[in-house]
Amino acid sequence: EAQVTQNPRYLITVTGKKLTVTCSQNMNHEYMSWYRQDPGLGLRQIYYSMNVEVTDKGDVPEGYKVSRKEKRNFPLILESPSPNQTSLYFCASSSGTERYGYTFGSGTRLTVV
Amino acid sequence: AQSVTQPDIHITVSEGASLELRCNYSYGATPYLFWYVQSPGQGLQLLLKYFSGDTLVQGIKGFEAEFKRSQSSFNLRKPSVHWSDAAEYFCARYNFNKFYFGSGTKLNVKP
Repeated sequence: EAQVTQNPRYLITVTGKKLTVTCSQNMNHEYMSWYRQDPGLGLRQIYYSMNVEVTDKGDVPEGYKVSRKEKRNFPLILESPSPNQTSLYFCASSSGTERYGYTFGSGTRLTVV
Repeated sequence: AQSVTQPDIHITVSEGASLELRCNYSYGATPYLFWYVQSPGQGLQLLLKYFSGDTLVQGIKGFEAEFKRSQSSFNLRKPSVHWSDAAEYFCARYNFNKFYFGSGTKLNVKP
């Protein structure tokens, strides 16, 4: 089944403790992206990647890192999480470019205390 | 600024009634337009998309949307709503190498 898989689904962590949210897609998509979803703010793009070793900032990149060493994986790294990063995170992938639409993962609910 | 507006934050309809969710986009060349649905606890699922051609687009789950350039709108419709349609719906557009989401409309379905 074609899908985007994120792990974990739920995570509670403490301020300052580094964490990684994994994202993997099995559709051989070139384009991958991370979004965060907050009430009243909709979805905001954190980082995106147009191909292996090619990443760029989205609208809200502060406090996040990404890497794209393989085509299928696009992990999101929070080096020193803070409470304002409590949010629902989505990984998404697209063939070619975003204009064809995204396939989304099921989301990761992160709470930073 | 490029943006997508969904004027209705919440909508409640009775099961079996028709549905229309509004979406307006700001200035741009012929946009790539999308509707996504997010069920509780789930990721976003693509319902339909418009690139060009016929302005009435059919999607999954019995949904359709109509692109109206003169009104800068891309409203989502369904003739008869089912209880399982209760979810949050997001309109989105792609233009100039950027993807924009609306803030979403939550649909409640009354029995």
